Amino acid sequence: TQLLEQSPQFLSIQEGENLTVYCNSSSVFSSLQWYRQEPGEGPVLLVTVVTGGEVKKLKRLTFQFGDARKDSSLHITAAQTGDTGLYLCAGLYGNQFYFGTGTSLTVIP
Amino acid sequence: KAGVTQTPRYLIKTRGQQVTLSCSPISGHRSVSWYQQTPGQGLQFLFEYFSETQRNKGNFPGRFSGRQFSNSRSEMNVSTLELGDSALYLCASDQDGLYGYTFGSGTRLTVV
Repeated sequence: TQLLEQSPQFLSIQEGENLTVYCNSSSVFSSLQWYRQEPGEGPVLLVTVVTGGEVKKLKRLTFQFGDARKDSSLHITAAQTGDTGLYLCAGLYGNQFYFGTGTSLTVIP
Repeated sequence: KAGVTQTPRYLIKTRGQQVTLSCSPISGHRSVSWYQQTPGQGLQFLFEYFSETQRNKGNFPGRFSGRQFSNSRSEMNVSTLELGDSALYLCASDQDGLYGYTFGSGTRLTVV
């Protein structure tokens, strides 16, 4: 049983489009992280959100932590081919991180 | 600042053999965690070591074990390899295990 469910599982869009991916759970997390992973490499930490309702922006990426700290979203504006990868969310529950199922994003030029 | 270093990058082993993977964390990071990543199961937590002590353990059989040395370097061992152990094994370090990980590039293990 996965503690964190991500949707959609796969996403293929044209360069320049906007997209949102979701990370949902019925559990409350102390903090939540988003990572991007490219083939053959380890995930790279993009952001950590801690406070319910928190919004963080990283250039074209906007991350939001739900008010109840059970869910999060990642919005990408004007997607570029370099955004292609596997996006993973991870929540801190107790003293352990739990990873989501991942969203595989392909941006087509 | 050097990143997390995992060795070897690729490994091919025969069913029934054992294997040891190595991880050198970022200098100053005391927490080292290991994950198994497969296409079907995603990232599955193996165990976490903090200051040479196993602090957390996932739901893997006893064939999977690990340890951490006084310099924070960590090793994981898998004995009696099975075909299903084929996966990307990722090591991640963190200052205290609570902020967010820096991952290594992983070791791709193939069991034939």
